[in-house]
Amino acid sequence: NAGVTQTPKFQVLKTGQSMTLQCAQDMNHNSMYWYRQDPGMGLRLIYYSASEGTTDKGEVPNGYNVSRLNKREFSLRLESAAPSQTSVYFCASSAGTTGRLYFGPGTRLTVT
Amino acid sequence: KQEVTQIPAALSVPEGENLVLNCSFTDSAIYNLQWFRQDPGKGLTSLLLIQSSQREQTSGRLNASLDKSSGRSTLYIAASQPGDSATYLCAGPRWGKLIFGQGTELSVKP
Repeated sequence: NAGVTQTPKFQVLKTGQSMTLQCAQDMNHNSMYWYRQDPGMGLRLIYYSASEGTTDKGEVPNGYNVSRLNKREFSLRLESAAPSQTSVYFCASSAGTTGRLYFGPGTRLTVT
Repeated sequence: KQEVTQIPAALSVPEGENLVLNCSFTDSAIYNLQWFRQDPGKGLTSLLLIQSSQREQTSGRLNASLDKSSGRSTLYIAASQPGDSATYLCAGPRWGKLIFGQGTELSVKP
């Protein structure tokens, strides 16, 4: 049982490049989330998907897009990376929006 | 608007001590609160989830309480060990999404 998996683990981008962060869960959870974690700012919600077929903005959605590909997979896309998007990105899932949250190992992204 | 605050930001204790980590929240309509542990360079691990109908939850040496009326939750760690060293975060829901505190960085010295 892998839980929540994320790829890649590390990534370096130049300003203006695009990339997609992948997330998958094998716990049959309905809800999935993308957070970013920055020193001094804590964990902030970027986007979430309460159930398959729906997505909603979190606290800091600007510069990002998401796709809930199916019940298992939830991807985060940076269309034109900026240095301010240098961060550690975590994907998480839960059975429902009030349930226990399970996190992936994170993707460390640097934008130069 | 739900805001979550954790005090202290950092705590250092000798091995064997019992300790309490504090979490306060502004929205008394909270319906659950979660505690997580994060080791350096790692993801978050869920420790305990307390529903609003419960007053506390226990898992091994960990005990978490929830007092909605005062807007506080505490995480009690009994007989601390060096392996407990990590950052502990609490999180409460706002419109179905979890809002995190900044965390308490715990160091347990042998």
